[in-house]
Amino acid sequence: DQQVKQNSPSLSVQEGRISILNCDYTNSMFDYFLWYKKYPAEGPTFLISISSIKDKNEDGRFTVFLNKSAKHLSLHIVPSQPGDSAVYFCARSGGTSGSRLTFGEGTQLTVNP
Amino acid sequence: GAVVSQHPSWVICKSGTSVKIECRSLDFQATTMFWYRQFPKQSLMLMATSNEGSKATYEQGVEKDKFLINHASLTLSTLTVTSAHPEDSSFYICSAGTSGGLYEQYFGPGTRLTVT
Repeated sequence: DQQVKQNSPSLSVQEGRISILNCDYTNSMFDYFLWYKKYPAEGPTFLISISSIKDKNEDGRFTVFLNKSAKHLSLHIVPSQPGDSAVYFCARSGGTSGSRLTFGEGTQLTVNP
Repeated sequence: GAVVSQHPSWVICKSGTSVKIECRSLDFQATTMFWYRQFPKQSLMLMATSNEGSKATYEQGVEKDKFLINHASLTLSTLTVTSAHPEDSSFYICSAGTSGGLYEQYFGPGTRLTVT
């Protein structure tokens, strides 16, 4: 069973500081990992992804790091903005458009002005 | 690009009735669409994988006769909740993978179903 775990249900940071969201996984093969952002009563919005053959992927304020030995990935948001306040889900995919996504439990990020 | 729409955005129905939810990929073709359900303060749970022109694949514990899925075209999948009960009240979200894309899925805005 390929699981994805987000052990922190919530995170609160000050505007302008760094937000670090964490995710652990088990039984990885050649997968892709993705981060989604979700507001209440809306569908998730794709943020950034990383292939399991890479260690880092950066897109603007968002950077995802993958530590394969520790089976851990993290999403860094710098600088954090109040509009970033949302629930963040990490997910893994088998790597094709027909692959199912397995989601973590989500982390509620609150960025305080 | 990669926009997915859902209709309706919210619906209230009486117990015992059926409700149909539509999921459309607006600017791309989706050979595969996925249906998720999310209960309050919980993660997204995959219900079924919908493939155009073939039967849907349901996750363990999801009743295929209760949650009817039809994927008649490359841009439309429908989920019908039959004989709805209050415990079916939830937030239903669909997603689609872009043809030729590797792994990214794009999600619809979701449908809030309330069964009274």
